[in-house]
Amino acid sequence: KAGVTQTPRYLIKTRGQQVTLSCSPISGHRSVSWYQQTPGQGLQFLFEYFSETQRNKGNFPGRFSGRQFSNSRSEMNVSTLELGDSALYLCASSPARLAGVYEQFFGPGTRLTVL
Amino acid sequence: GENVEQHPSTLSVQEGDSAVIKCTYSDSASNYFPWYKQELGKGPQLIIDIRSNVGEKKDQRIAVTLNKTAKHFSLHITETQPEDSAVYFCAASILGKLIFGQGTELSVKP
Repeated sequence: KAGVTQTPRYLIKTRGQQVTLSCSPISGHRSVSWYQQTPGQGLQFLFEYFSETQRNKGNFPGRFSGRQFSNSRSEMNVSTLELGDSALYLCASSPARLAGVYEQFFGPGTRLTVL
Repeated sequence: GENVEQHPSTLSVQEGDSAVIKCTYSDSASNYFPWYKQELGKGPQLIIDIRSNVGEKKDQRIAVTLNKTAKHFSLHITETQPEDSAVYFCAASILGKLIFGQGTELSVKP
């Protein structure tokens, strides 16, 4: 099976712009989670989508949003970019049907740099 | 709140030695504890996991132990090899949300 794919792999934006990142989960996986990774804060949970519905949310401002499509592909959007949004954004897919004890498999991430 | 503490932050061992990384979690509702290995420029790779109804799990050179009473879990790597060099993260799952430790940079010297 192909792994989790994320596009683009690298992005450079300027403050105030918005950005959309894309994630295709492993075939058959219906849960997609997003994480932000920075040197200072480590890996932090953004949100999880299952069957096109946000099932769980982390402690990030409303500028961070996401959605999931009927084919389980997911996008996340960051509006009004700030310098502190520079990070590696990771997508993880899971076969979970119910929120709970299921493995999560990560993609390679999108490296976002905000200038 | 939900928190996972991981120690040490860096670990250097000689090839063939063992390496141990320890984590402590705060939320007793956590029921799943995965370990990830992240190499430079890559996403985290799941290497082993343990569920709350199990005390120990082993997979070749890697083992994980869980002490639910103390809210501790540990990763043990035996017979380390240079290719084990990477950053290792522990995590605790609460309703599908992973709370990660800060990571341990493991360096295995040949």
